[in-house]
Amino acid sequence: EIVLTQSPGTLSLSPGERATLSCRASQRVSSSYLAWYQQKPGQAPRLLIHGASSRATAIPDRFSGSGSGTDFTLTISRLEPEDSAVYFCQQCGSSPLTFGGGTKVEIK
Amino acid sequence: EVQLVESGGGLVQPGGSLRLSCSASGFTFSNYAMHWVRQAPGKGLESVSAISSGGGSTYYADSMKGRFTISRDNSKNTLYLQMSSLRVEDTAVYYCVKAVSSGWYSGGDHWGQGTLVTVSS
Repeated sequence: EIVLTQSPGTLSLSPGERATLSCRASQRVSSSYLAWYQQKPGQAPRLLIHGASSRATAIPDRFSGSGSGTDFTLTISRLEPEDSAVYFCQQCGSSPLTFGGGTKVEIK
Repeated sequence: EVQLVESGGGLVQPGGSLRLSCSASGFTFSNYAMHWVRQAPGKGLESVSAISSGGGSTYYADSMKGRFTISRDNSKNTLYLQMSSLRVEDTAVYYCVKAVSSGWYSGGDHWGQGTLVTVSS
């Protein structure tokens, strides 16, 4: 099983700052099969990034994904208040499909 | 506009059964794989099951194998999850998720609002 470890657990930043979220896999993940989601309280998750670096439809360009192999990163270039949420990574290329434990982003 | 509407959740006793349904609209349902993903209260996300666009390939998490069955009716634009031998630890919100493509390898780009399944005596 590919275990996805997300860090940090919580990130507290001010509006306009840059957020860097990490997703580290216990085994190699094909870039094509790595996705990032945003989940706000009481809402369903929303796809931000698929294929490690492809932004989903209508996702602002301040969100970007990068990485390969076992190390992947979600970057929010300039935080907005509405970016306060929990962010999850997911790998869909190897059974079982797995999610990371999430990173909570707090806006000061 | 893509819409996914789950139904069928509720309270069930341990060992019982439930069938979840997901009615899809706003896209060509038969062209896309579909997922069921669950989230226990206050917890993270867990992939439950997935099915290819044509229904010929399925995926189950290990703890669901033999207990859950995913299926789809492309003529009715509906996804199903038949759950049996339910356990307390199956308590969660179950989300219906549209895959990015015909296979389930690219993640899910649209999510339903979720339906709560509570397993309790």
